[in-house]
Amino acid sequence: KQEVTQIPAALSVPEGENLVLNCSFTDSAIYNLQWFRQDPGKGLTSLLLIQSSQREQTSGRLNASLDKSSGRSTLYIAASQPGDSATYLCAVENNFNKFYFGSGTKLNVKP
Amino acid sequence: GAVVSQHPSWVICKSGTSVKIECRSLDFQATTMFWYRQFPKQSLMLMATSNEGSKATYEQGVEKDKFLINHASLTLSTLTVTSAHPEDSSFYICSALGAEQFFGPGTRLTVL
Repeated sequence: KQEVTQIPAALSVPEGENLVLNCSFTDSAIYNLQWFRQDPGKGLTSLLLIQSSQREQTSGRLNASLDKSSGRSTLYIAASQPGDSATYLCAVENNFNKFYFGSGTKLNVKP
Repeated sequence: GAVVSQHPSWVICKSGTSVKIECRSLDFQATTMFWYRQFPKQSLMLMATSNEGSKATYEQGVEKDKFLINHASLTLSTLTVTSAHPEDSSFYICSALGAEQFFGPGTRLTVL
């Protein structure tokens, strides 16, 4: 069964810092990998989707990389802002369209 | 992007009652929808796959008689939590498979 792990579980940084969130998964037979943001008590906001054949995706200050063979993905956030404070979830989708989520990294960006 | 809605957004019920949660794909048809739940401070766990016109398939450990899923049309799947108990209190999120998978905003269920 697919296991998804996210490190660190929590992160607190001052505004303006660049930061990296890590995600690892045990089964490399994935369809794609997706990073989500979740605000407290809210649903999911999709940030970046990386297909299994891709190595990275970028959107604004966010860059996500995927190394499928090693079972790893990173989410890079440049010039962090207080509005980036949220929980970031990594999820892998298998060939049956089932998502397996990590436990998330709770990010706090201090003004 | 495509929109998936859930209704209600939150519900409080008494122990022993049943609660129905709706998941709708608003601007696309979805033969497949998924139901997830999220306990406090935990991640989302897949409960079941909802298939239009056929029975849902449940993940290991999920009671199919307790969590009834009906996918009667290409835009609507419902999850009914039967005889709800406080331990069923959770955040329930659905997703619908279109060009990619789109997630609903979630339903917070509190069972007193």
